[in-house]
Amino acid sequence: GESVGLHLPTLSVQEGDNSIINCAYSNSASDYFIWYKQESGKGPQFIIDIRSNMDKRQGQRVTVLLNKTVKHLSLQIAATQPGDSAVYFCAEQTGTYKYIFGTGTRLKVLA
Amino acid sequence: DAGITQSPRHKVTETGTPVTLRCHQTENHRYMYWYRQDPGHGLRLIHYSYGVKDTDKGEVSDGYSVSRSKTEDFLLTLESATSSQTSVYFCAISEAGLAGELFFGEGSRLTVL
Repeated sequence: GESVGLHLPTLSVQEGDNSIINCAYSNSASDYFIWYKQESGKGPQFIIDIRSNMDKRQGQRVTVLLNKTVKHLSLQIAATQPGDSAVYFCAEQTGTYKYIFGTGTRLKVLA
Repeated sequence: DAGITQSPRHKVTETGTPVTLRCHQTENHRYMYWYRQDPGHGLRLIHYSYGVKDTDKGEVSDGYSVSRSKTEDFLLTLESATSSQTSVYFCAISEAGLAGELFFGEGSRLTVL
């Protein structure tokens, strides 16, 4: 069945290092993907998106990579800061109004 | 931040009572969604709306109903709350049905005793 999964439930990184959060998806027909950040007690916050006709997209300190061959999505955060500590999850759009969300990876930034 | 307001933010109720959660947006977006978030699960779609008075079911719609009488308001009703409906509920909005950025509210935590 369709699924969006994350390889690591918890990721600890040193402040200043780069973080890489991974996501696997199973629906090869999905053509739109989103990364979200969710802090404790808050709603998911849109970080960056990418369409299937792209391999890479950059934002401010974040980069999303899409590998359609292996159905893999990653979020790279440069120079990770304490404020980046949160749960990150990916979402894929599989049809009109239909999104599938991963369960999330918790990013812990170590001082 | 997208202008999405959910109310109430926290509610404790008893089994069998009706509950209504409200989502209000100031973005004039056409599409609105209600999701629930539970430990070990990704966000799951309850109902969505693609216009005023146009709504449809999501993957976990049993026990829930919705209404959208105005562009800016999307109501989620639990006619008779059950303990399995204890969850955090998120409203989301988007401008486009396909490849549209999906923005979330701050959530409504519901506890059914």
